[in-house]
Amino acid sequence: AQSVAQPEDQVNVAEGNPLTVKCTYSVSGNPYLFWYVQYPNRGLQFLLKYITGDNLVKGSYGFEAEFNKSQTSFHLKKPSALVSDSALYFCAVRDGRGSGYALNFGKGTSLLVTP
Amino acid sequence: DGGITQSPKYLFRKEGQNVTLSCEQNLNHDAMYWYRQDPGQGLRLIYYSQIVNDFQKGDIAEGYSVSREKKESFPLTVTSAQKNPTAFYLCASRSQGIDTQYFGPGTRLTVL
Repeated sequence: AQSVAQPEDQVNVAEGNPLTVKCTYSVSGNPYLFWYVQYPNRGLQFLLKYITGDNLVKGSYGFEAEFNKSQTSFHLKKPSALVSDSALYFCAVRDGRGSGYALNFGKGTSLLVTP
Repeated sequence: DGGITQSPKYLFRKEGQNVTLSCEQNLNHDAMYWYRQDPGQGLRLIYYSQIVNDFQKGDIAEGYSVSREKKESFPLTVTSAQKNPTAFYLCASRSQGIDTQYFGPGTRLTVL
């Protein structure tokens, strides 16, 4: 089965500093990878995805992610963090046709950006 | 969240009761999904449907049931057989041929 792992439960960053939220994947075949963000008691908002092509993917709100095949990673990055970026971030990988192309999620990483 | 609505936002259930969570989308998406979210566990797939009148069990379907009588609607019933139903429930949809799933705002179910 396709799976992702988020090794950090929480990431703390000072406002204005760069941030990285880590994700590694384990798949058979080519991975379809996603990042979502969740604010308290809200649904998930799509940030970006990697299907194929450039290893650096740009998404919403200034976020980007770097796909690294040799390290099986798909880390989320932002050059300058904002306090409003504080939220729960999920990495996900698309499952196969037999699961209706559902998403398999990591456990989430809580990002705290301090002023 | 736009285009996918879930109701109610908060739901309280007594033990032994069945409750139904609503999910409606006006995006004309073919596929719809139900996920359950528990703290520290990410999201887990309960059921999915790729077309009207067809649905399949996900990883944690026991104690849940669904229907897909209309393309825009995919209600989830939490039955009394679900031993630990207190959780945040998220509905998502996806257009055929597009990989991205879009999520509703969620329903928080609490068993009293």
